[in-house]
Amino acid sequence: ETGVTQTPRHLVMGMTNKKSLKCEQHLGHNAMYWYKQSAKKPLELMFVYNFKEQTENNSVPSRFSPECPNSSHLFLHLHTLQPEDSALYLCASSQGLELKGSYGYTFGSGTRLTVV
Amino acid sequence: EDQVTQSPEALRLQEGESSSLNCSYTVSGLRGLFWYRQDPGKGPEFLFTLYSAGEEKEKERLKATLTKKESFLHITAPKPEDSATYLCAVQGNAGKSTFGDGTTLTVKP
Repeated sequence: ETGVTQTPRHLVMGMTNKKSLKCEQHLGHNAMYWYKQSAKKPLELMFVYNFKEQTENNSVPSRFSPECPNSSHLFLHLHTLQPEDSALYLCASSQGLELKGSYGYTFGSGTRLTVV
Repeated sequence: EDQVTQSPEALRLQEGESSSLNCSYTVSGLRGLFWYRQDPGKGPEFLFTLYSAGEEKEKERLKATLTKKESFLHITAPKPEDSATYLCAVQGNAGKSTFGDGTTLTVKP
């Protein structure tokens, strides 16, 4: 069991549905991330939050809407998705971005999303 | 823009056959280079952080090394349970990590 928990593990949704992915960490980390992992592609950074503030939106379409109510929880709200959005969505956390050291990420197990 | 290139894309080894994975990178102000292991259907698992050229880290059959342009992950006498995708990432001044495509390692008994 990692320190980052993602739910649900699997999600199938239609293109007109609205759903949310949840991520929770109790590692005392202050930075949280959403990554998209598609087959044969590197991890794609979507959003970065540092101390609950969004610091990065990597040109992500507006049909993906993140929410970070506190440093322990991160959500990704989904609506009117396309089939090409099917992928593994990974949440990660790390110590704060402003720290001078370099810190590895702790990843969750991901949500396998299928858009039909 | 930070970039990471990993090679080979896939590597098949016999159990006990040692080899190395390569990670070439360009980054603005290296704060750290990371190696992760990812098993199918799971998130990446952190293995090592390397901070400066010449540094080495070891964990069981794995040894990571770093130069100013690349990093190697050496696998000594691998076992089938070492089969996974190995990801390399660099972290620059902006504090966020850029990942490579990964090397998928298969170790046959």
